[in-house]
Amino acid sequence: DVKVTQSSRYLVKRTGEKVFLECVQDMDHENMFWYRQDPGLGLRLIYFSYDVKMKEKGDIPEGYSVSREKKERFSLILESASTNQTSMYLCASSLSTGNQPQHFGDGTRLSIL
Amino acid sequence: QKEVEQNSGPLSVPEGAIASLNCTYSDRGSQSFFWYRQYSGKSPELIMSIYSNGDKEDGRFTAQLNKASQYVSLLIRDSQPSDSATYLCAADPISGGYNKLIFGAGTRLAVHP
Repeated sequence: DVKVTQSSRYLVKRTGEKVFLECVQDMDHENMFWYRQDPGLGLRLIYFSYDVKMKEKGDIPEGYSVSREKKERFSLILESASTNQTSMYLCASSLSTGNQPQHFGDGTRLSIL
Repeated sequence: QKEVEQNSGPLSVPEGAIASLNCTYSDRGSQSFFWYRQYSGKSPELIMSIYSNGDKEDGRFTAQLNKASQYVSLLIRDSQPSDSATYLCAADPISGGYNKLIFGAGTRLAVHP
């Protein structure tokens, strides 16, 4: 079974802090994704990575950056957290061959106070 | 803009009935389609994949695909209260590469005893 592990289920941070969300997958997947999910807005793609050190902006990259130094690990960074970044953050991974689903971690519910 | 459309619901069905969830997609080049189940406060869980026109059955679940009509559906037979969740439809437009799925906003299903 694919295992995608996010470092925290719940996280509370303060406005202006630099926040790191970590994601690790154990299936040697090439692709990794970060989404945020808010009520009524569905899943929105923040960033994705298709290889080590390679990244592409998604639909809402502003205020975020990412890092992928190793194939199994994909980090999301909130450079200076703001209250409008309070959300559920979901990490996913997939193989790079065609017709592959994404597999999600358990999510991190982040509150910025 | 590639889109996947779902009725937000809630779709309310009695226990034991068939629940029918529908999804349309805009990118005619989409090749693969996925259904995810998401319980409240949890992350999406893959339940079905479908790639060819027609029906695909897995236990109580049947996915149906009609590429000519750009239409995907999920049938849940003998619905149980434990099926109450939000169901996300996703399409892989392939043209974007990297298995970057396009997700619908989800349909909320409520199964009442």
